[in-house]
This record gives sequence, C-alpha cells and structure tokens, in this order.
Amino acid sequence: KNQVEQSPQSLIILEGKNCTLQCNYTVSPFSNLRWYKQDTGRGPVSLTIMTFSENTKSNGRYTATLDADTKQSSLHITASQLSDSASYICVVSASNFGNEKLTFGTGTRLTIIP
Amino acid sequence: DGGITQSPKYLFRKEGQNVTLSCEQNLNHDAMYWYRQDPGQGLRLIYYSQIVNDFQKGDIAEGYSVSREKKESFPLTVTSAQKNPTAFYLCASIPGPGEGPGEAFFGQGTRLTVV
Repeated sequence: KNQVEQSPQSLIILEGKNCTLQCNYTVSPFSNLRWYKQDTGRGPVSLTIMTFSENTKSNGRYTATLDADTKQSSLHITASQLSDSASYICVVSASNFGNEKLTFGTGTRLTIIP
Repeated sequence: DGGITQSPKYLFRKEGQNVTLSCEQNLNHDAMYWYRQDPGQGLRLIYYSQIVNDFQKGDIAEGYSVSREKKESFPLTVTSAQKNPTAFYLCASIPGPGEGPGEAFFGQGTRLTVV
C-alpha cells in the first residue's frame, strides 16, 4: 500500500529561525514528489516538484531535497516569516501507463511566532 | 487568468438532500480529481477523470457521484447515501500524460456542513 508519512505533526518556531520538515514514503512506481503549502480553509499551493533524478530544488526561502534511495524528502525553510504559518503537505506521485495517482501525507502544521 | 475555481465556498445541506459542488478549470488540463480533507488526515481521493466522458472511483467513492461532460468541468454530487459528508472538499487538475511531471493545481475548496 502506498504511504506517505510526515514529521513532525506540528512545529512552533520563532520568526526568523530556520526549520526542516520530513517526509518518508513508500510509493511505487515512483514518479515525482511535491511539497504544498496549505493555509487554513484554502486549497494547497505548490512549492516544489521533483522527479527521480533531482535531489534538490529551491523556491525562494524553501528548499526541498529528495533521496530516492532511502525514499526520504525534506523541506527546509530559511529565515521564517509569520506568513509561513500553514500546513505543509508532502505528496508522492505514482505513475502507471500514464495514469498518475497522488498519495498525500497528513501534513506538518507549522506555526511561526513573533 | 488561468486557474481552477470551486463553488460555493461554503455549503450547508440538510440530511437526506443531494448537493452538487462545482469545479471548473481553464488550464486545458486533461485530468481532474476530487478529494476530501478531514482534520488530521491526508487528502483522500473520491473520484478522478483522465479524459472527457470517463471517470474512475477513488478510495472513498461511496455516496458520491461525478460527471465529466466537458473538459473544463467536473462537478461532484454528494448524495444522501454519504453517511458523513461534513468535510472540506478540494478539486484539482493536472496536465495529461506526456507533458512531464504535471503540476497539480487546486481550487480553494468547498466546506460542506450537514445541518
């Protein structure tokens, strides 16, 4: 069964600090891994998407890493801002004959405090 | 602007009623998806459609129905058979196969509450 596990479940940090969120997955056949940011009551918004051959990708203060051998990914947030408070969801895609199926993690709830 | 639009944002349903959630996209994406999000759980797939006039059940399709008569539209009906419909519903669209790792765009969601 395809699974995506994220840790920690929730995290509180001071504004300006860095943090790292983790994602472990067992999804086959692996196609790509995505990180999304979801504000409360809104739809998820894409941060990064990485294929098998990519091991790091940045989007501003967000940097995602992927280790396809250990099936782990991380999302590093640098110099956090109050607006970073949100849920961060790891999504892994399995692709079979062109049909793409997404498996979602339960998310990490990040709270930035001033 | 290109995007995916869900409506309404909030919806209240009486027990025993069917309600339909709208999802429209102008991204020319082939694939559209409906997910349900409950507190503390990851998004769960209800139905998906890879092409017009075709759709497939997801992991939790019971009590739901969909149609895909147009590429742009993928409405979801929550029927009275759905035992616990109160949830946040998200619609997503992804480009078709052969276009690389498709960027999944999500609507802003519909919060359905049974009263």
